[in-house]
Amino acid sequence: RKEVEQDPGPFNVPEGATVAFNCTYSNSASQSFFWYRQDCRKEPKLLMSVYSSGNEDGRFTAQLNRASQYISLLIRDSKLSDSATYLCAVINSGAGSYQLTFGKGTKLSVIP
Amino acid sequence: GAVVSQHPSRVICKSGTSVKIECRSLDFQATTMFWYRQFPKQSLMLMATSNEGSKATYEQGVEKDKFLINHASLTLSTLTVTSAHPEDSSFYICSARGFRLAENQETQYFGPGTRLLVL
Repeated sequence: RKEVEQDPGPFNVPEGATVAFNCTYSNSASQSFFWYRQDCRKEPKLLMSVYSSGNEDGRFTAQLNRASQYISLLIRDSKLSDSATYLCAVINSGAGSYQLTFGKGTKLSVIP
Repeated sequence: GAVVSQHPSRVICKSGTSVKIECRSLDFQATTMFWYRQFPKQSLMLMATSNEGSKATYEQGVEKDKFLINHASLTLSTLTVTSAHPEDSSFYICSARGFRLAENQETQYFGPGTRLLVL
């Protein structure tokens, strides 16, 4: 089983739609969780951290379910500029090591 | 603005040559720097982790003699792809982790990446 798994998509949604991305992770000891956004041929940029209590930033809501080892990202009122690949990432650390592991990403295309 | 710079942004070279990529943290001291590689439509794969002044730790399957990493200071790490071959063509991204006053916590930031094409 891969460490971090995401539905690769693509998700094609009309402007204004609500879209949800899911991600599962295999290491129950994972400590920190993030959503990154990667535009075509660019580096990943941190979109938001994911906290146990869930968190919201404008149109974006992230949630974490530790029992099911599952994180989600909800985008409301999609904009054309939201078109990108969304990567979930988890941090596993211990014994002096630290590693940020990414899923393959889910591609989103918002269409007019 | 950018907090991690990477140079060059794009390299085209002949097979057999060596290519050096620089990664700098601009407004913080990076306790740890990471090098990733991303092939088209694939996820970022960690190649190696380095701490300033010590040898890099390479992930399984990554040849340390082929991908030389130097982390000479808290703001600079370099990756040298020695005797590059076409299969080394990829998007190489560095990442720096450290404490930034602006965030008031340890955070990991990515450089803009270097696109390497070996002919």
